[in-house]
Amino acid sequence: DIQLTQSPSFLSAFVGDRVTITCRASQGISSYLAWYQQKPGKAPKLLIYAASTLQSGVPSRFSGSGSGTEFTLTISSLQPEDFATYYCQQLNSYPLTFGGGTTVEVK
Amino acid sequence: EVHLVESGGGLVQPGGSLRLSCAASGFTFSDHYMEWVRQAPGKGLEWIGRSRDKSKSYTTEYAASVKGRFTISRDEPENSLYLQMTSLKTEDAAVYYCVRAVKHSDAYYFDYWGQGALVTVSS
Repeated sequence: DIQLTQSPSFLSAFVGDRVTITCRASQGISSYLAWYQQKPGKAPKLLIYAASTLQSGVPSRFSGSGSGTEFTLTISSLQPEDFATYYCQQLNSYPLTFGGGTTVEVK
Repeated sequence: EVHLVESGGGLVQPGGSLRLSCAASGFTFSDHYMEWVRQAPGKGLEWIGRSRDKSKSYTTEYAASVKGRFTISRDEPENSLYLQMTSLKTEDAAVYYCVRAVKHSDAYYFDYWGQGALVTVSS
């Protein structure tokens, strides 16, 4: 199974900060990676697919990059509605797996 | 507008069975891969299985943790996806999400999620 390791697990940031979350895969997954945002009590929401393509309707302050084994999700200027938990997911091979999550909280 | 509505969650004893349903609307159900993802209380996301689209005969894939105990099926006329769960364990307790997947390049990404159905496994 492909393991995805997200770092950090938790971060505190101010509104307006630039935030970067990393996702490392235990083996190469090309660009078959997605990022999701989840708020408490809600279903996850797709933000980025194919490592760097912004899902329709997602604000442009979100961006993704990487390929192979190292990927990043960047929020260029953190907004109040961005405080949430973020997950990466690999779709390269079965079983499809998720990272452990990164919780972004207000500082 | 795409809607996915899960139902059938509840309390079940260890060793018991439960069937979750997912009513889909707003898209051509037979054209899409459909997924089940679960989330134990306070934990992360776990993919548990997939139903491919009609062109691939609705074939399925499962995570090892549920293979042989859970079965995914569809009712095309009803636009419904099902998750039959048997031999339930306490560790199966979770919110279960029904998810639509959409193809981009060679992979299927999870673009619409239901609100989730809570399954509690306890004696």
